[in-house]
Amino acid sequence: QKEVEQDPGPLSVPEGAIVSLNCTYSNSAFQYFMWYRQYSRKGPELLMYTYSSGNKEDGRFTAQVDKSSKYISLFIRDSQPSDSATYLCAMRRTGGGNKLTFGTGTQLKVEL
Amino acid sequence: GAGVSQSPSNKVTEKGKDVELRCDPISGHTALYWYRQSLGQGLEFLIYFQGNSAPDKSGLPSDRFSAERTGGSVSTLTIQRTQQEDSAVYLCASSSSPSSDEQYFGPGTRLTVT
Repeated sequence: QKEVEQDPGPLSVPEGAIVSLNCTYSNSAFQYFMWYRQYSRKGPELLMYTYSSGNKEDGRFTAQVDKSSKYISLFIRDSQPSDSATYLCAMRRTGGGNKLTFGTGTQLKVEL
Repeated sequence: GAGVSQSPSNKVTEKGKDVELRCDPISGHTALYWYRQSLGQGLEFLIYFQGNSAPDKSGLPSDRFSAERTGGSVSTLTIQRTQQEDSAVYLCASSSSPSSDEQYFGPGTRLTVT
């Protein structure tokens, strides 16, 4: 079993929809959580990071962490065709250096 | 300013050959990471450099893989005697300090072993 599980999709939604992307993890040592966006043939870019349970909002994006359930989510409001990309969750252990453990990524397509 | 750059962008090699992949981090970034992204596997950590400290090599999959970072800047990932399972996108990232969670990724090198 992988330490971080993420549904690969693809997920297809109409423009303007609210998108929910999720990851689960098995190791409670993970304490730092990030979401990356990766366009085709490009490197990942950091969207959001959070260290605590609860919600963190940035524009149309909200990151949610539930450490008790080992579950993290990324919500995208008013989705746009330009949001079409692969979304990767990533997490880091305390005391584990800075190496990140990634989910496999969810491919999202926002259609006109 | 300039981001992380990697070269070559694509590399096709025959099984058994050695390859070298290059990463130029963002100027002034002290931490440098190599990851591998295989189809359906997500990103897999390979190695981490921080300043003059000994690198964290815990993610290297075999002794055919090695990496060095010269002068605290440019890094080279070398794969010896390449195998077909080495085919993947190799991504480099850098961050301003070991305490920073913001890793900036390059565009990657797509390696195909035939």
